[in-house]
Amino acid sequence: DVKVTQSSRYLVKRTGEKVFLECVQDMDHENMFWYRQDPGLGLRLIYFSYDVKMKEKGDIPEGYSVSREKKERFSLILESASTNQTSMYLCASNSGRAGGNTIYFGEGSWLTVV
Amino acid sequence: GDSVTQMEGPVTLSEEAFLTINCTYTATGYPSLFWYVQYPGEGLQLLLKATKADDKGSNKGFEATYRKETTSFHLEKGSVQVSDSAVYFCALNRVDDKIIFGKGTRLHILP
Repeated sequence: DVKVTQSSRYLVKRTGEKVFLECVQDMDHENMFWYRQDPGLGLRLIYFSYDVKMKEKGDIPEGYSVSREKKERFSLILESASTNQTSMYLCASNSGRAGGNTIYFGEGSWLTVV
Repeated sequence: GDSVTQMEGPVTLSEEAFLTINCTYTATGYPSLFWYVQYPGEGLQLLLKATKADDKGSNKGFEATYRKETTSFHLEKGSVQVSDSAVYFCALNRVDDKIIFGKGTRLHILP
């Protein structure tokens, strides 16, 4: 079975803290994604990585950074957490062949910033 | 830019009713199209997909047909069950491999 694992399901952090959300996939996928899910807004792409050390901004990158040092691991970093970053964060991956590729999701990380 | 528009919810139906959730898209080229489902407290999982015009994706009694002429990919099921209650997302795969999602449609099925 394919597996995308997010290290933390539920986190509570204070405003101004640095937050790391970790994601690991075991499918040797080239592409990895971080999305944010909010009621009424659906899923919005924060960052996308198509190879080790390669990244592209998505639709809402402000306040976030990412790291991909190894193919299987993609980390989302909130340099200084703010209350408007309270949300559900979803990591996903798929293979690099264009078109028709199923994207696999982790279970999600619920982050609350107080 | 590329986008996906799906009907707003929530949609509430009785068990065994017929379901349609509308989805239309705007895209350059010929994207692949997907429906994902999210059950309470879980991540998203693939429900079905279609990779070219006139393809029909199907799974668990759900179906959707890739209609290039109307740029649509409507989700249908002939007889819904309480266990189908979830949030459904329509999505497309752009040529640069990024996936664009609709805002989701919450479905409630009453026994």
